[in-house]
Amino acid sequence: ETGVTQTPRHLVMGMTNKKSLKCEQHLGHNAMYWYKQSAKKPLELMFVYNFKEQTENNSVPSRFSPECPNSSHLFLHLHTLQPEDSALYLCASSPKFAGINEKLFFGSGTQLSVL
Amino acid sequence: AQKVTQAQTEISVVEKEDVTLDCVYETRDTTYYLFWYKQPPSGELVFLIRRNSFDEQNEISGRYSWNFQKSTSSFNFTITASQVVDSAVYFCALSEGRNNAGNMLTFGGGTRLMVKP
Repeated sequence: ETGVTQTPRHLVMGMTNKKSLKCEQHLGHNAMYWYKQSAKKPLELMFVYNFKEQTENNSVPSRFSPECPNSSHLFLHLHTLQPEDSALYLCASSPKFAGINEKLFFGSGTQLSVL
Repeated sequence: AQKVTQAQTEISVVEKEDVTLDCVYETRDTTYYLFWYKQPPSGELVFLIRRNSFDEQNEISGRYSWNFQKSTSSFNFTITASQVVDSAVYFCALSEGRNNAGNMLTFGGGTRLMVKP
């Protein structure tokens, strides 16, 4: 398998549930990203990890908790979400974060519905 | 602050027509990068092109062409002889050229292109 893989593809959860989104990249990249794509807003950058270290947190509420155990895996832990958090969550990777503004490689996303 | 505007939220064309997707950007930086990504129904965004602010040459890749004009802060994308497989959401994006800005992309709202047979 190649590229960026996200699981699950679809997730429905209640506001009191705890769930996790998983992202895995097989490209040997060192930077990984979480983006949120909702119907009412442009794609929003949530978090950036570079060499497993978080380098950006774009004022994301604490009910979203990222984890990057190694350069190939990225998780987004979810708890006590709100209905407005329903969106497509996209993971991306790039060879590195800083430098020459390299292109991003995206996964297919997890479509999250919060009831 | 950076901003990218894609005024066309949805465009519908018939196959073989040419179509242009508009992108207007705002930035205070003199060095910046512009991107176009395609999001097919499967969901993943696919990189199409990257252009830096010092290179205003237009680019053509097969049926795709890009027109970068700094004077109007625009980076428009034209598909010639559109095909049904071109149906997707297209995003224009901007990032600053500073090293510590990395790949901090600011995306436009996207344009949904529907190509009908």
